[in-house]
Amino acid sequence: ETGVTQSPTHLIKTRGQQVTLRCSSQSGHNTVSWYQQALGQGPQFIFQYYREEENGRGNFPPRFSGLQFPNYSSELNVNALELDDSALYLCASRPGQGTDTQYFGPGTRLTVL
Amino acid sequence: QKEVEQDPGPLSVPEGAIVSLNCTYSNSAFQYFMWYRQYSRKGPELLMYTYSSGNKEDGRFTAQVDKSSKYISLFIRDSQPSDSATYLCAIDSGYSTLTFGKGTMLLVSP
Repeated sequence: ETGVTQSPTHLIKTRGQQVTLRCSSQSGHNTVSWYQQALGQGPQFIFQYYREEENGRGNFPPRFSGLQFPNYSSELNVNALELDDSALYLCASRPGQGTDTQYFGPGTRLTVL
Repeated sequence: QKEVEQDPGPLSVPEGAIVSLNCTYSNSAFQYFMWYRQYSRKGPELLMYTYSSGNKEDGRFTAQVDKSSKYISLFIRDSQPSDSATYLCAIDSGYSTLTFGKGTMLLVSP
Protein backbone atom coordinates (compact mmCIF):
# COMPACT_ATOMS: atom_id res chain seq x y z
CA GLU A 1 0.00 0.00 0.00
CA THR A 2 1.29 3.47 -0.93
CA GLY A 3 -0.71 5.47 1.60
CA VAL A 4 -2.45 7.35 -1.21
CA THR A 5 -6.21 6.93 -1.25
CA GLN A 6 -8.78 7.97 -3.83
CA SER A 7 -12.55 8.23 -3.83
CA PRO A 8 -14.85 7.13 -5.19
CA THR A 9 -13.63 3.83 -6.64
CA HIS A 10 -16.06 3.87 -9.52
CA LEU A 11 -18.32 6.53 -10.95
CA ILE A 12 -20.83 6.66 -13.80
CA LYS A 13 -21.86 9.98 -15.29
CA THR A 14 -23.62 11.15 -18.41
CA ARG A 15 -22.25 13.43 -21.08
CA GLY A 16 -22.35 17.10 -20.12
CA GLN A 17 -22.31 16.50 -16.38
CA GLN A 18 -19.61 17.59 -13.96
CA VAL A 19 -17.56 15.33 -11.68
CA THR A 20 -15.25 15.76 -8.69
CA LEU A 21 -12.66 13.14 -7.81
CA ARG A 22 -10.75 13.16 -4.54
CA CYS A 23 -7.28 12.14 -3.44
CA SER A 24 -5.66 11.93 -0.03
CA SER A 25 -1.89 12.11 -0.28
CA GLN A 26 0.64 10.18 1.73
CA SER A 27 1.53 11.95 4.95
CA GLY A 28 4.24 14.58 4.48
CA HIS A 29 3.84 14.74 0.71
CA ASN A 30 3.22 18.28 -0.52
CA THR A 31 3.18 17.59 -4.25
CA VAL A 32 0.33 15.83 -6.01
CA SER A 33 -0.09 15.00 -9.67
CA TRP A 34 -3.13 13.74 -11.54
CA TYR A 35 -3.02 11.38 -14.50
CA GLN A 36 -5.63 10.04 -16.91
CA GLN A 37 -5.26 6.44 -18.07
CA ALA A 38 -7.51 5.40 -20.94
CA LEU A 39 -8.06 1.69 -21.51
CA GLY A 40 -4.98 0.07 -22.99
CA GLN A 41 -2.88 3.22 -22.64
CA GLY A 42 -0.27 4.49 -20.25
CA PRO A 43 -1.15 7.27 -17.80
CA GLN A 44 -1.13 10.80 -19.23
CA PHE A 45 -0.17 13.76 -17.08
CA ILE A 46 -3.03 16.20 -16.41
CA PHE A 47 -1.55 18.66 -13.89
CA GLN A 48 0.46 18.99 -10.72
CA TYR A 49 -0.04 20.94 -7.52
CA TYR A 50 2.64 22.04 -5.09
CA ARG A 51 1.67 23.78 -1.87
CA GLU A 52 -1.84 24.50 -3.16
CA GLU A 53 -0.75 26.03 -6.48
CA GLU A 54 -0.82 24.48 -9.93
CA ASN A 55 2.76 24.36 -11.20
CA GLY A 56 2.58 22.15 -14.24
CA ARG A 57 -0.06 21.11 -16.76
CA GLY A 58 -0.27 18.59 -19.55
CA ASN A 59 -2.21 18.83 -22.77
CA PHE A 60 -5.69 18.91 -21.23
CA PRO A 61 -8.39 21.57 -21.76
CA PRO A 62 -9.41 24.08 -19.05
CA ARG A 63 -12.52 22.05 -18.18
CA PHE A 64 -10.08 19.89 -16.24
CA SER A 65 -9.29 21.79 -13.06
CA GLY A 66 -8.01 21.00 -9.62
CA LEU A 67 -7.50 22.07 -6.06
CA GLN A 68 -5.03 21.17 -3.37
CA PHE A 69 -5.89 21.83 0.26
CA PRO A 70 -3.67 22.75 3.24
CA ASN A 71 -3.77 19.17 4.45
CA TYR A 72 -2.44 18.17 0.99
CA SER A 73 -5.60 16.37 -0.05
CA SER A 74 -6.68 17.32 -3.54
CA GLU A 75 -9.52 17.30 -6.03
CA LEU A 76 -9.81 16.88 -9.77
CA ASN A 77 -12.85 18.52 -11.33
CA VAL A 78 -14.04 17.85 -14.85
CA ASN A 79 -16.80 19.94 -16.37
CA ALA A 80 -18.93 19.23 -19.45
CA LEU A 81 -18.01 15.56 -19.50
CA GLU A 82 -17.38 13.93 -22.86
CA LEU A 83 -17.46 10.25 -23.77
CA ASP A 84 -13.66 10.29 -24.22
CA ASP A 85 -13.25 11.29 -20.58
CA SER A 86 -14.03 7.69 -19.63
CA ALA A 87 -10.81 6.47 -18.04
CA LEU A 88 -8.99 5.56 -14.84
CA TYR A 89 -7.95 8.74 -13.02
CA LEU A 90 -4.85 8.37 -10.89
CA CYS A 91 -3.33 10.69 -8.38
CA ALA A 92 0.26 10.43 -7.29
CA SER A 93 1.98 12.14 -4.39
CA ARG A 94 5.59 12.74 -3.48
CA PRO A 95 7.48 14.62 -0.76
CA GLY A 96 8.90 17.45 -2.86
CA GLN A 97 9.15 19.03 -6.26
CA GLY A 98 12.22 17.23 -7.42
CA THR A 99 12.48 13.83 -8.94
CA ASP A 100 11.45 11.97 -5.85
CA THR A 101 9.51 8.79 -6.29
CA GLN A 102 5.82 9.29 -7.05
CA TYR A 103 3.40 7.05 -5.18
CA PHE A 104 0.17 6.28 -6.97
CA GLY A 105 -3.26 5.71 -5.53
CA PRO A 106 -5.57 2.94 -6.77
CA GLY A 107 -7.45 5.28 -9.09
CA THR A 108 -11.06 6.22 -9.76
CA ARG A 109 -12.67 4.59 -12.77
CA LEU A 110 -14.96 7.08 -14.49
CA THR A 111 -17.47 5.96 -17.10
CA VAL A 112 -19.25 8.60 -19.17
CA LEU A 113 -22.40 7.47 -20.95
CA GLN B 1 6.91 10.13 -33.06
CA LYS B 2 5.69 9.52 -29.53
CA GLU B 3 8.06 10.50 -26.76
CA VAL B 4 8.07 6.99 -25.28
CA GLU B 5 7.39 3.87 -27.32
CA GLN B 6 6.55 0.53 -25.75
CA ASP B 7 5.25 -2.67 -27.34
CA PRO B 8 1.82 -3.37 -25.76
CA GLY B 9 2.13 -7.15 -26.06
CA PRO B 10 0.69 -9.32 -24.66
CA LEU B 11 3.85 -11.24 -23.89
CA SER B 12 3.20 -14.82 -22.79
CA VAL B 13 5.95 -16.87 -21.14
CA PRO B 14 6.10 -20.07 -19.06
CA GLU B 15 6.95 -19.92 -15.38
CA GLY B 16 10.69 -19.69 -14.79
CA ALA B 17 11.45 -17.89 -18.06
CA ILE B 18 13.57 -14.77 -18.33
CA VAL B 19 11.45 -11.83 -19.47
CA SER B 20 12.74 -8.83 -21.37
CA LEU B 21 10.64 -5.68 -21.57
CA ASN B 22 11.76 -2.65 -23.55
CA CYS B 23 11.06 0.98 -24.28
CA THR B 24 12.58 3.57 -26.55
CA TYR B 25 12.39 7.30 -26.07
CA SER B 26 13.00 10.27 -28.31
CA ASN B 27 14.08 13.15 -26.07
CA SER B 28 17.73 13.00 -25.08
CA ALA B 29 17.00 15.46 -22.25
CA PHE B 30 15.22 12.72 -20.32
CA GLN B 31 17.25 11.90 -17.25
CA TYR B 32 15.31 9.64 -14.91
CA PHE B 33 13.90 6.27 -15.83
CA MET B 34 11.39 4.16 -14.00
CA TRP B 35 9.51 0.91 -14.35
CA TYR B 36 6.09 0.54 -12.81
CA ARG B 37 4.01 -2.59 -12.43
CA GLN B 38 0.23 -2.32 -12.65
CA TYR B 39 -2.11 -5.11 -11.75
CA SER B 40 -5.60 -5.12 -13.19
CA ARG B 41 -7.79 -2.39 -11.69
CA LYS B 42 -4.96 -1.10 -9.48
CA GLY B 43 -2.69 1.94 -9.53
CA PRO B 44 0.90 1.62 -10.79
CA GLU B 45 3.54 0.63 -8.23
CA LEU B 46 7.19 1.55 -8.62
CA LEU B 47 9.55 -1.34 -9.34
CA MET B 48 12.81 0.26 -10.38
CA TYR B 49 14.25 3.77 -10.58
CA THR B 50 17.51 4.78 -12.22
CA TYR B 51 19.07 7.91 -13.61
CA SER B 52 22.25 6.74 -15.25
CA SER B 53 23.29 4.46 -18.04
CA GLY B 54 24.08 0.92 -17.02
CA ASN B 55 22.39 -1.77 -14.98
CA LYS B 56 20.59 -1.68 -11.67
CA GLU B 57 19.58 -4.90 -9.97
CA ASP B 58 16.95 -5.57 -7.31
CA GLY B 59 16.24 -9.20 -6.58
CA ARG B 60 14.86 -10.85 -9.72
CA PHE B 61 14.59 -7.51 -11.51
CA THR B 62 17.29 -5.72 -13.51
CA ALA B 63 16.79 -2.32 -15.11
CA GLN B 64 19.11 -1.33 -17.95
CA VAL B 65 19.49 2.11 -19.49
CA ASP B 66 21.39 2.92 -22.68
CA LYS B 67 21.25 6.69 -23.10
CA SER B 68 23.26 6.65 -26.32
CA SER B 69 20.57 4.49 -27.95
CA LYS B 70 17.68 5.99 -25.94
CA TYR B 71 16.70 2.49 -24.94
CA ILE B 72 15.60 1.15 -21.57
CA SER B 73 14.94 -2.43 -20.54
CA LEU B 74 13.58 -4.41 -17.63
CA PHE B 75 14.62 -8.02 -17.17
CA ILE B 76 12.75 -10.40 -14.89
CA ARG B 77 14.52 -13.62 -13.93
CA ASP B 78 12.72 -16.78 -12.84
CA SER B 79 9.35 -15.30 -13.75
CA GLN B 80 6.37 -16.27 -11.59
CA PRO B 81 2.62 -16.30 -12.29
CA SER B 82 2.36 -13.46 -9.75
CA ASP B 83 4.45 -11.35 -12.14
CA SER B 84 1.51 -11.32 -14.56
CA ALA B 85 0.66 -7.63 -14.87
CA THR B 86 1.14 -4.64 -17.13
CA TYR B 87 4.62 -3.13 -17.00
CA LEU B 88 4.92 0.58 -17.69
CA CYS B 89 8.13 2.40 -18.44
CA ALA B 90 8.12 6.00 -17.31
CA ILE B 91 10.53 8.83 -17.84
CA ASP B 92 10.92 11.97 -15.78
CA SER B 93 12.26 14.88 -17.79
CA GLY B 94 13.42 16.59 -14.62
CA TYR B 95 10.38 18.86 -14.51
CA SER B 96 8.61 16.56 -12.08
CA THR B 97 6.18 15.02 -14.55
CA LEU B 98 6.24 11.48 -15.84
CA THR B 99 5.84 10.43 -19.46
CA PHE B 100 4.67 6.84 -19.71
CA GLY B 101 4.79 4.22 -22.40
CA LYS B 102 1.58 2.38 -23.26
CA GLY B 103 2.55 -0.55 -21.08
CA THR B 104 3.34 -4.18 -21.93
CA MET B 105 0.97 -6.85 -20.65
CA LEU B 106 2.89 -9.86 -19.33
CA LEU B 107 1.28 -13.27 -18.80
CA VAL B 108 3.28 -15.93 -16.95
CA SER B 109 1.69 -19.34 -17.13
CA PRO B 110 2.29 -22.03 -14.47
